[in-house]
Amino acid sequence: GDSVTQMEGPVTLSEEAFLTINCTYTATGYPSLFWYVQYPGEGLQLLLKATKADDKGSNKGFEATYRKETTSFHLEKGSVQVSDSAVYFCALSEVIAGRRALTFGSGTRLQVQP
Amino acid sequence: SAVISQKPSRDICQRGTSLTIQCQVDSQVTMMFWYRQQPGQSLTLIATANQGSEATYESGFVIDKFPISRPNLTFSTLTVSNMSPEDSSIYLCSVVRGLAGGTEQFFGPGTRLTVL
Repeated sequence: GDSVTQMEGPVTLSEEAFLTINCTYTATGYPSLFWYVQYPGEGLQLLLKATKADDKGSNKGFEATYRKETTSFHLEKGSVQVSDSAVYFCALSEVIAGRRALTFGSGTRLQVQP
Repeated sequence: SAVISQKPSRDICQRGTSLTIQCQVDSQVTMMFWYRQQPGQSLTLIATANQGSEATYESGFVIDKFPISRPNLTFSTLTVSNMSPEDSSIYLCSVVRGLAGGTEQFFGPGTRLTVL
């Protein structure tokens, strides 16, 4: 079945550091890929998405490129801020047997220190 | 976007009791989803709830343990029955809404359940 693997956390960075959170996936077809963010005490929010190969999703300075050849969707940001401290989830969405299914990775906690 | 509220936001319950979680959406949606996020784990889909029909449960989840109601297009409830400490999780309600260019899945703030 479908699965998503992302790097374990926590990831601890200083403010203005470069961020990469790795995400790879396995899927039977051509999924859409997402990054969700969960800030402390809040629900999940969609951060960015890409629906086909070579698409780049971007939002709030974060970006990720759908790489079909490496089945990856790594999240990057050039300069992190303390306010980016949160848990980040990589996810894929695929229609299987007529039903849409969203599969999540295990989440990566990011801690940004001032 | 979709505004989703859940009640309660958190609860501490005794083993063997049941808790019903409510999910309210600000507009009509066809499908509502219930997820579980166990401590330190990712989200796992429990079931999909369509209005007017039985919920569809994922492997490992059964109706007797997690009965779901969907009385209208803006509301759903999930009951966690005969609870044990292993049921301690965050339970999230989710909906899919069509947007220009595709669809997007929105999540409620979650209900943090602790079972003693």
